[in-house]
Amino acid sequence: DVQMTQFPSSLSASLGDRVTISCRASEMFGDSLAWYQQRPGKVPTLLIYAVSRLQQGVSSRFSGAGSVTEFTLTISSLQPEDAATYYCQKYNIVPLTFGGGTKVEI
Amino acid sequence: EEQLVQSGAEVKKSGESLRISCEGSGDGDTFELFWVSWVRQMPGKGLEWIGHIKPSDSQVRYSPSFEGHVTISVDKSLNTVYLQWGSLQASDNGIYYCAREPSYPTLNGYFNDAFDLWGQGTLVTVSS
Repeated sequence: DVQMTQFPSSLSASLGDRVTISCRASEMFGDSLAWYQQRPGKVPTLLIYAVSRLQQGVSSRFSGAGSVTEFTLTISSLQPEDAATYYCQKYNIVPLTFGGGTKVEI
Repeated sequence: EEQLVQSGAEVKKSGESLRISCEGSGDGDTFELFWVSWVRQMPGKGLEWIGHIKPSDSQVRYSPSFEGHVTISVDKSLNTVYLQWGSLQASDNGIYYCAREPSYPTLNGYFNDAFDLWGQGTLVTVSS
């Protein structure tokens, strides 16, 4: 099964900073790669799907990129509401697998 | 507005059985065009995929980590998906989310998209 490894596991950044989170797959699986945001005590929400497509209603400060086995989520200018844990996920082909998460502190 | 509404928090003892639910509500065919996944989040930990079901024909697929320990089922007449345990363990503590996967027919079967709608979560507490 494909394993998803995120790094770093946590980071601290300042308002307005550009932040990049990485997700590495143990093998190729196509472009069914999503990113979710989970604010403290809240339900996860979909940010990005198909590697780089922004979910409707999500701020354009978020962007996704990557291919093969290396993927990234970038927040262009960090805002207070971006304090959260971010998860990558391989979907469509089972088992559906999440990365371990990256906690972003401001 | 489409929603996934989950059943309330549960407190159980090790060895007891439990079934929690996830009801699709709102406009549109919440279940006919989707699969529904269950996701576990243990206290202070990340997200783990348990398995999913296609409500239209009850196809089920499980993560190897959970297969044999939980059962996913559906009642189409109630637009409700279930996750159940025959014998709970302390390691089953956590929040359980249901989530919707849009599904599109393809030449080779189906393409399941990312989780675009989540339930509010059900807290399961198991004491020994």
